[in-house]
Amino acid sequence: SQTIHQWPATLVQPVGSPLSLECTVEGTSNPNLYWYRQAAGRGLQLLFYSVGIGQISSEVPQNLSASRPQDRQFILSSKKLLLSDSGFYLCAWSEGSGGPKHFGDGTRLSIL
Amino acid sequence: ILNVEQSPQSLHVQEGDSTNFTCSFPSSNFYALHWYRWETAKSPEALFVMTLNGDEKKKGRISATLNTKEGYSYLYIKGSQPEDSATYLCAFHQAGTALIFGKGTTLSVSS
Repeated sequence: SQTIHQWPATLVQPVGSPLSLECTVEGTSNPNLYWYRQAAGRGLQLLFYSVGIGQISSEVPQNLSASRPQDRQFILSSKKLLLSDSGFYLCAWSEGSGGPKHFGDGTRLSIL
Repeated sequence: ILNVEQSPQSLHVQEGDSTNFTCSFPSSNFYALHWYRWETAKSPEALFVMTLNGDEKKKGRISATLNTKEGYSYLYIKGSQPEDSATYLCAFHQAGTALIFGKGTTLSVSS
């Protein structure tokens, strides 16, 4: 069966510290992978999506980056976190185009 | 700037009530409209993908309609149950663009 793992579930980090959130997908190959963020009072916003290994598209300019070192692994990173990076981060995947079908459980990131 | 509006922002109904809420989106260059259900402490679950004007989709007691010419979709829940309590997200995209999500409608059903 197909599953998606995202960790950690919660994270509290000081301003200026680095970040690494990891997402892995099982039970499928060559999925489209997505990172979304929900900031307080806002809808889900697409940060990055990837259609293949090493292929990353960024939707909004920001302090974050993404990498896809393996077919079913998607990593969200930052070298120096800002207060504005606080939010709820969701990893998602789909087979083919048309938007995310399956979401991870999310990471609640709080920046102090 | 493309925007998706959902209304109402929140809704409280009694068990057994039927309810509906609205998603409004730009009507130009429409490609697809998605509905998701997001329960507290769980990940969002895809409900429907709608692409054709006049589409109507149904899943159990939940159904959705689509009007691409005027740019809206309705989600209906018949005979609401406490387990229907969740935030219902609508998302829209044009061909070749990323999904744009609304802020959601949070439904609370009391027994």
